[in-house]
Amino acid sequence: KQEVTQIPAALSVPEGENLVLNCSFTDSAIYNLQWFRQDPGKGLTSLLLIQSSQREQTSGRLNASLDKSSGRSTLYIAASQPGDSATYLCAVYGNNRKLIWGLGTSLAVNP
Amino acid sequence: DTGVSQDPRHKITKRGQNVTFRCDPISEHNRLYWYRQTLGQGPEFLTYFQNEAQLEKSRLLSDRFSAERPKGSFSTLEIQRTEQGDSAMYLCASSRGGPGARSYEQYFGPGTRLTVT
Repeated sequence: KQEVTQIPAALSVPEGENLVLNCSFTDSAIYNLQWFRQDPGKGLTSLLLIQSSQREQTSGRLNASLDKSSGRSTLYIAASQPGDSATYLCAVYGNNRKLIWGLGTSLAVNP
Repeated sequence: DTGVSQDPRHKITKRGQNVTFRCDPISEHNRLYWYRQTLGQGPEFLTYFQNEAQLEKSRLLSDRFSAERPKGSFSTLEIQRTEQGDSAMYLCASSRGGPGARSYEQYFGPGTRLTVT
């Protein structure tokens, strides 16, 4: 059974720092992996989708990497801003392409 | 492409009442997924449809829950005899299904927040 783990559960950094959020999964036979952002009490915003054949994707200050063999993905946020404060969720596409989720990393960027 | 929409956005109900939520997917998407998210947790898969056929249901979906997707367009999720433990955000997503690695990318609606008092 696929399990997704995110470390750390919470992170607090000063504005301007570069940071890395980690996601690991137990079954390397995934299709794709997707990172989402969720603001308190709100729905999900897709940040990056990494196809199973890719090793990384970039969008603005965000870079996500994927290493299927080791069961890991990282989300790198450059030059963090207070507006980046949110919960970041990692999800893998499993059987029937349904998403299997981690518990998220709660990020606070302090001005 | 108007995105995935969900209605209502918020629902407060008393224990024991029935509630129904609606999800309208992106028009050309043939797959539709329902997830549930409780406070402090990641979303959990509930069920999914390909066109009008419900192809998988999670064990989380007790017999009080039923989902339909008549005509393969919008979907409804009904909860009968609601319990306080049903309080959660109910998320709907849609995707294409077919050849191509990106064809299954899921697009999410804003969610319906249910509070059972």
